[in-house]
Amino acid sequence: GAGVSQSPSNKVTEKGKDVELRCDPISGHTALYWYRQSLGQGLEFLIYFQGNSAPDKSGLPSDRFSAERTGGSVSTLTIQRTQQEDSAVYLCASSPSPSGGQFFGPGTRLTVL
Amino acid sequence: EDKVVQSPLSLVVHEGDTVTLNCSYEVTNFRSLLWYKQEKKAPTFLFMLTSSGIEKKSGRLSSILDKKELFSILNITATQTGDSAVYLCAGFKAAGNKLTFGGGTRVLVKP
Repeated sequence: GAGVSQSPSNKVTEKGKDVELRCDPISGHTALYWYRQSLGQGLEFLIYFQGNSAPDKSGLPSDRFSAERTGGSVSTLTIQRTQQEDSAVYLCASSPSPSGGQFFGPGTRLTVL
Repeated sequence: EDKVVQSPLSLVVHEGDTVTLNCSYEVTNFRSLLWYKQEKKAPTFLFMLTSSGIEKKSGRLSSILDKKELFSILNITATQTGDSAVYLCAGFKAAGNKLTFGGGTRVLVKP
């Protein structure tokens, strides 16, 4: 079956611009996560959605970052007024349940010039 | 603050060798420990360990969790060049359901 998909695969933007990153989780997976991986760094948790519950936004690094999940499926991560330090690979993962293993998408490589 | 530490940072072995990767964790409200293999961008799920002392196996890979000493081991036997990757472990909290990742161990298997 289809895995987690993300788009775009690569995004180059200028400092100060807004970007939107999209994640399509595995069908039927109720939990969805966003992480980012900066060059040479480990994966950093950003935000978690579970069903219709309020998302856990505790990992978002600043108020320039926001995410939504429409209809319990597709999620969009938005970064406003991008900065060079936002450059990273943004990974989305989904899980069939809150306690299940997380399955990752291919990621979006964001480069802020 | 939650912390996951992996060792070694990297290692180089030859095909056929056995490797042992270590992961120690300090995670409040700990639920499970997960292992992933990352070759390019997307980490690939390997194991989720919740119970102490029970080995999980998948082919040449195996892993075990020690919840008393707060560590896990990932073993790869009869290594192949296709095993070359970064191996990540992550602690999974019961509250918030977020993963705290270690820095990874980079494994290079030479022919």
